[in-house]
Amino acid sequence: SAVISQKPSRDICQRGTSLTIQCQVDSQVTMMFWYRQQPGQSLTLIATANQGSEATYESGFVIDKFPISRPNLTFSTLTVSNMSPEDSSIYLCSANGLAGGADTQYFGPGTRLTVL
Amino acid sequence: RKEVEQDPGPFNVPEGATVAFNCTYSNSASQSFFWYRQDCRKEPKLLMSVYSSGNEDGRFTAQLNRASQYISLLIRDSKLSDSATYLCVVNIINFGNEKLTFGTGTRLTIIP
Repeated sequence: SAVISQKPSRDICQRGTSLTIQCQVDSQVTMMFWYRQQPGQSLTLIATANQGSEATYESGFVIDKFPISRPNLTFSTLTVSNMSPEDSSIYLCSANGLAGGADTQYFGPGTRLTVL
Repeated sequence: RKEVEQDPGPFNVPEGATVAFNCTYSNSASQSFFWYRQDCRKEPKLLMSVYSSGNEDGRFTAQLNRASQYISLLIRDSKLSDSATYLCVVNIINFGNEKLTFGTGTRLTIIP
């Protein structure tokens, strides 16, 4: 299985600022993803982080608001830009690994963001 | 219509009881199916994959009906530690890109 860590685990930010969340996987993985989980809701995919190229964003999410980097096969960052209280959420990094011959998607512990 | 629909619950069942969750999905191109478990303030963790032939892992049994686009999870002899939110998850692979779509989850509480 893949072990995924995220930093920071939580943060409280002021409106209008930006926060960069880091995601580190302990092994090389093909796919990395960023999700958002708002209180009481399920997970919503923000984008797929592509190594060496621009991220692929889902409908409703744009690069200017959520720039993503993926410089190598084990690391990715998500920036939440020009934050507003509506961005308060848990942001989860995910990676697709290979376990027992089947693709399995693992999640990081999440970053709990509160925007004041 | 939501892509993945689940009964949100909550389900409150006594310890030792059997409980079943259902899930429907709208995209017939869905290719892989999973149940994830999410504990309070924790990340989702894979509970089990779901295969067309049905599969069992200890007290947990998962079933898939592709014709009806329906997935189920059965928990037998429930334990207090089974209390969690259970997420029905569907994977679509399109032109080499895969995307997991999550249901809103079914909250289960096992009562001593």
